[in-house]
Amino acid sequence: DAGVTQSPTHLIKTRGQHVTLRCSPISGHKSVSWYQQVLGQGPQFIFQYYEKEERGRGNFPDRFSARQFPNYSSELNVNALLLGDSALYLCASSLGLYTDTQYFGPGTRLTVL
Amino acid sequence: EDQVTQSPEALRLQEGESSSLNCSYTVSGLRGLFWYRQDPGKGPEFLFTLYSAGEEKEKERLKATLTKKESFLHITAPKPEDSATYLCAVQVPGGSQGNLIFGKGTKLSVKP
Repeated sequence: DAGVTQSPTHLIKTRGQHVTLRCSPISGHKSVSWYQQVLGQGPQFIFQYYEKEERGRGNFPDRFSARQFPNYSSELNVNALLLGDSALYLCASSLGLYTDTQYFGPGTRLTVL
Repeated sequence: EDQVTQSPEALRLQEGESSSLNCSYTVSGLRGLFWYRQDPGKGPEFLFTLYSAGEEKEKERLKATLTKKESFLHITAPKPEDSATYLCAVQVPGGSQGNLIFGKGTKLSVKP
């Protein structure tokens, strides 16, 4: 079975632009979470979606938004990019919400110039 | 504030030299503690989930244990392919229910 997939693999943007990152969960998983990982740090929680509804939000500005589609895939959108948004963006999927193991995708490396 | 601290930040071992990585946590409550392995530039790979103090899990050369305040990842007779960053994360009740709170990780290097 395919694991979590993310696209694109790498992305280079300039300050002020917007970006859309995509994630497809493991088949049968209904929850998708997004994390940001800057170099040398652990992943930091951005959003969680379950059954197409936002079920959790981390301490990120409103420039960050996300949604989940009927097929459980998800998009993360970031507007008005800043240099500090450069990071590895990780998507994780799980069967449900509580204590279910989250399985991560390979990530999207975003570089903001 | 819920917090996860991993030590040491970096660990260099000779092949076959066993050691332990530490993950201490200060949380309002614990739903589960997770260990992941991460290779450079890749997503974290799931290793173990622990739910209650006293629980132990094993996989090949790795063994994870849990107490009320910390977890240990024991590595027995490591090989160079065990080199990676090992991440510890906790899931807590309340707030963003599915949120994982990560430590900064321990970077393990195993030399042949």
